Amino acid sequence: DTGVSQDPRHKITKRGQNVTFRCDPISEHNRLYWYRQTLGQGPEFLTYFQNEAQLEKSRLLSDRFSAERPKGSFSTLEIQRTEQGDSAMYLCASRARGLKSYNEQFFGPGTRLTVL
Amino acid sequence: SQELEQSPQSLIVQEGKNLTINCTSSKTLYGLYWYKQKYGEGLIFLMMLQKGGEEKSHEKITAKLDEKKQQSSLHITASQPSHAGIYLCGADPFYNTDKLIFGTGSRLQVFP
Repeated sequence: DTGVSQDPRHKITKRGQNVTFRCDPISEHNRLYWYRQTLGQGPEFLTYFQNEAQLEKSRLLSDRFSAERPKGSFSTLEIQRTEQGDSAMYLCASRARGLKSYNEQFFGPGTRLTVL
Repeated sequence: SQELEQSPQSLIVQEGKNLTINCTSSKTLYGLYWYKQKYGEGLIFLMMLQKGGEEKSHEKITAKLDEKKQQSSLHITASQPSHAGIYLCGADPFYNTDKLIFGTGSRLQVFP
């Protein structure tokens, strides 16, 4: 399978614990995005990378959230001191910049986080 | 900030019927994307529209972008149970940026 993969698919944690999610983009894609989706809503942009550089972060991304893409390949999203409001689906997407004129983003299956 | 409003929020149709979902923007759209999402899963890219008046089709799904580039419609002909899911429109908030903003989605159910 050569699509975007995310791990784990589901995570249940207790409030106050730290969690880390991983995203593996399509191999030739140099841009990687994180979105958060709550029930009944569309995805909301969190942050994105071009190669290993984090180019933009949303105001939604509080200090408890940190994302990395150390070698420009996979990315991790860490949430520290989780709160119940962090419960959501975390979606990762990737895109190859420059191969096409439009911004088609390919999404992974998501990681569903439940904070108890 | 730009907002995308989708209508209807939910629709239930009988198999074989046609249906239309609308996506309206408060500002000019530089790129309009349609995605489909099965419950609890990721988004599947359907189509992308950029030019005013543009229309694209894939199998039984047709998407259009109006001339003013502020409204798009997604039309499904002869709906099938496989069309069931949540349809999301997304857009570039500014020209040539990468982050997308999304509407709240339109949930489609198709019954036999």
